[in-house]
Amino acid sequence: DGGITQSPKYLFRKEGQNVTLSCEQNLNHDAMYWYRQDPGQGLRLIYYSQIVNDFQKGDIAEGYSVSREKKESFPLTVTSAQKNPTAFYLCASSIGAGSKGEQYFGPGTRLTVT
Amino acid sequence: AQTVTQSQPEMSVQEAETVTLSCTYDTSESNYYLFWYKQPPSRQMILVIRQEAYKQQNATENRFSVNFQKAAKSFSLKISDSQLGDTAMYFCASPRYNAGNMLTFGGGTRLMVKP
Repeated sequence: DGGITQSPKYLFRKEGQNVTLSCEQNLNHDAMYWYRQDPGQGLRLIYYSQIVNDFQKGDIAEGYSVSREKKESFPLTVTSAQKNPTAFYLCASSIGAGSKGEQYFGPGTRLTVT
Repeated sequence: AQTVTQSQPEMSVQEAETVTLSCTYDTSESNYYLFWYKQPPSRQMILVIRQEAYKQQNATENRFSVNFQKAAKSFSLKISDSQLGDTAMYFCASPRYNAGNMLTFGGGTRLMVKP
């Protein structure tokens, strides 16, 4: 089955530690995205990548980093510089140019930092 | 800046009845799509329906339909014959084509379908 996987579903970390969230897709999509969702709110874009080895900052990139070494994978690192990292993180993908914006989402990772 | 506004934080509807969720948006694009996503308690985001702005006809997907008013920049979602499984958060979204087609989301409407 084609789709997007995110692991783990729940992640707990101590303050001051970096943590990496996994996102993998087998849809052969060119573009991938990371969004953050806080309780009762909509999604906000952290980073996006339209092609391998290239990525761009979204609206709330501070304290986050990404890499795109393979088409299928777009991991997100939440660094200790992120002031309020506890949130629900969603990864998405789209076919890229010509998609008109339609995105498909993974199941999400709930990160709790204490 | 591109904005998407959902003015109804919460709504409820009786099972089998019809409910309409509102969305307004602002975009400088001349040709664009708009989307409604559903997020059930599992938190998986599911695409419900899409509308192409250049099409006059409102999109329909089974019990879901939109009322698209391009001049008013309004994009409401109508759910007919509501079912308990429709209980979810609903998000309206508009792409930013000059920024990798990233989506700008509204704040969401929490819909509760009551038996």
